[in-house]
Amino acid sequence: AQSVAQPEDQVNVAEGNPLTVKCTYSVSGNPYLFWYVQYPNRGLQFLLKYITGDNLVKGSYGFEAEFNKSQTSFHLKKPSALVSDSALYFCAVRGFDRGSTLGRLYFGRGTQLTVWP
Amino acid sequence: DGGITQSPKYLFRKEGQNVTLSCEQNLNHDAMYWYRQDPGQGLRLIYYSQIVNDFQKGDIAEGYSVSREKKESFPLTVTSAQKNPTAFYLCASSARQGPNYEQYFGPGTRLTVT
Repeated sequence: AQSVAQPEDQVNVAEGNPLTVKCTYSVSGNPYLFWYVQYPNRGLQFLLKYITGDNLVKGSYGFEAEFNKSQTSFHLKKPSALVSDSALYFCAVRGFDRGSTLGRLYFGRGTQLTVWP
Repeated sequence: DGGITQSPKYLFRKEGQNVTLSCEQNLNHDAMYWYRQDPGQGLRLIYYSQIVNDFQKGDIAEGYSVSREKKESFPLTVTSAQKNPTAFYLCASSARQGPNYEQYFGPGTRLTVT
């Protein structure tokens, strides 16, 4: 079965400090992993993805994510947080329902990131 | 929010009424999806479709119905059988296969049923 876990409901960090939002996954086969961000009352925006290749993936707005196969993790990072980064972050893994040829995403519950000035 | 539109942004209905949420995309994507979002529960998949005239139930399909008569459109009907319909509904689309699989989301419709 496919699943994603985001162990922290909330992450708080001071502006200018590095931030990490954690994600672990479970999937059969090679993982396709994604990070999305959601601002209040808005849809999700795609940040970055890991399909294959380098374990460090760079994405939008200065975010990056580190894929670790042995730890089945895909943590989102940013070297220096901004107040405007405050939002809800979702990790997702691609998987397949039984009998389906169309992949779908399995989302974590989300992590609320708050960056204070 | 890319090339996906959802209307209306806010919708109010009385209990017992069916209501249809609109989703249109101009990204030429084959696959489309409907999610429900409740506080603290993340996104839950309702229905998804990989091609016109084909769709599959997701994790919480009971009380919902969909149609896919056109590639660009994937309307969701919330029926009176849905016991707790008040939620934020998100539509998404993606390529059907290949490496560019990321889903693009619409701005969402907030449905309130009283």
